[in-house]
This record gives sequence, structure tokens and C-alpha cells, in this order.
Amino acid sequence: EDKVVQSPLSLVVHEGDTVTLNCSYEVTNFRSLLWYKQEKKAPTFLFMLTSSGIEKKSGRLSSILDKKELFSILNITATQTGDSAVYLCAVSYSGAGSYQLTFGKGTKLSVIP
Amino acid sequence: KAGVTQTPRYLIKTRGQQVTLSCSPISGHRSVSWYQQTPGQGLQFLFEYFSETQRNKGNFPGRFSGRQFSNSRSEMNVSTLELGDSALYLCASSTGTGGDGWFFGPGTRLTVL
Repeated sequence: EDKVVQSPLSLVVHEGDTVTLNCSYEVTNFRSLLWYKQEKKAPTFLFMLTSSGIEKKSGRLSSILDKKELFSILNITATQTGDSAVYLCAVSYSGAGSYQLTFGKGTKLSVIP
Repeated sequence: KAGVTQTPRYLIKTRGQQVTLSCSPISGHRSVSWYQQTPGQGLQFLFEYFSETQRNKGNFPGRFSGRQFSNSRSEMNVSTLELGDSALYLCASSTGTGGDGWFFGPGTRLTVL
């Protein structure tokens, strides 16, 4: 069965800390891995990764994919209270002519002042 | 470009009733996927539509159905509502080729009493 596992499930840090969120996956016909940030609303797209070893960066956030070991990490440096959210990892795979996302349970990040 | 829109944003229904939710994708996107999000199960795939055809369906009972129109707008219907159907229903828009991201609408919060 296809699955996506995120760790840790929750994390509490102080402002200014650096955090690393993990996502491992087992799917057939892998296409891409996506990271989303979810506050009290719909998930907001952060990154889509398709190639191993190529870091994607946006401000203080960065992510990298390892297709050999089947995992990805999301790094957040110099955390701010506004980074508090649930971070979701999703894997896209193809099958029967369709593409769909399988999500992990998410990592709840709390940043305290 | 305008983002994904969903209507209504909130719904309260009673058991046994039926409900129809609507989603308008990003202009130019031909694929609409629907997801159910609950605290216990996380985000679960319901179905995906591309060019008015259902390409894939998740593991949900037949009470959950959907359709897509020629302008790519999509509706999902839940008949004979149960208490367990209370959830945030999210729709995601993409080009449908699997090579780009999925972008979520704000969701419809359904409460079944």
C-alpha cells in the first residue's frame, strides 16, 4: 500500500531556531513530492520536487529530495511565529491515466517567542 | 490569475440529507481533485476529474460522487449524510499532466448534525 510518513508529528521551537522536517515515502510510479503549509485554512503550496539532490529554496525555507532513499526534508531557518502551522508532505504518482496525491499526517510546528 | 474558489464555505446539514459542493479551478487548469480532511484521517483522496471524465476514485462509498463541466468547474455530491461526513472538503486544481503542482481552494467546512 502506498504511504507517506512524516516525522516528527509535532515540534515546539523558539523563534530563531532552525528546524528540519522529514518525509519518507513508498509509492509506485512516483512523479513528484510536494510540501504544503496549512494554517487554519487550505494548504498553501511551498515546493514541488522531482529530481534528487537539487535543493529548492524560498526565503528561509528549503527542501531537497532523495529518490534513492525515498525521503525529503524541509528546512526552516531563523524560525518566526508566523511559521507556526502544519506542514504537509504529499507524493504524486500516476496510475490508470490519472495523477493523485497521497498525503502524510503532517508535522505540527509551533514557534514560541 | 485568480485562485481556486469553492462554494459554499460553510454548510450545516442533518443526517440523511444530501449536499452539493462546488469548485472552480484556476483558469487553464483542466484537472480537479477532491479531498476530505478530518482530524483523525488527515487528507484523503476522493476523486479526480479531467476534461469532464473521472480518471480516478479513492476508497469512499458510493454516496460520494462528482462531476466536471465543460468549463472545468466541478461539483461533488454527498447523499444520505452521516455524522462521520463532517469534514473540510478541499478541491485542488492542476493542469492534469502530473508535471506541475496542485493548488488548493479554501475548502468547504461541512458539519452534519
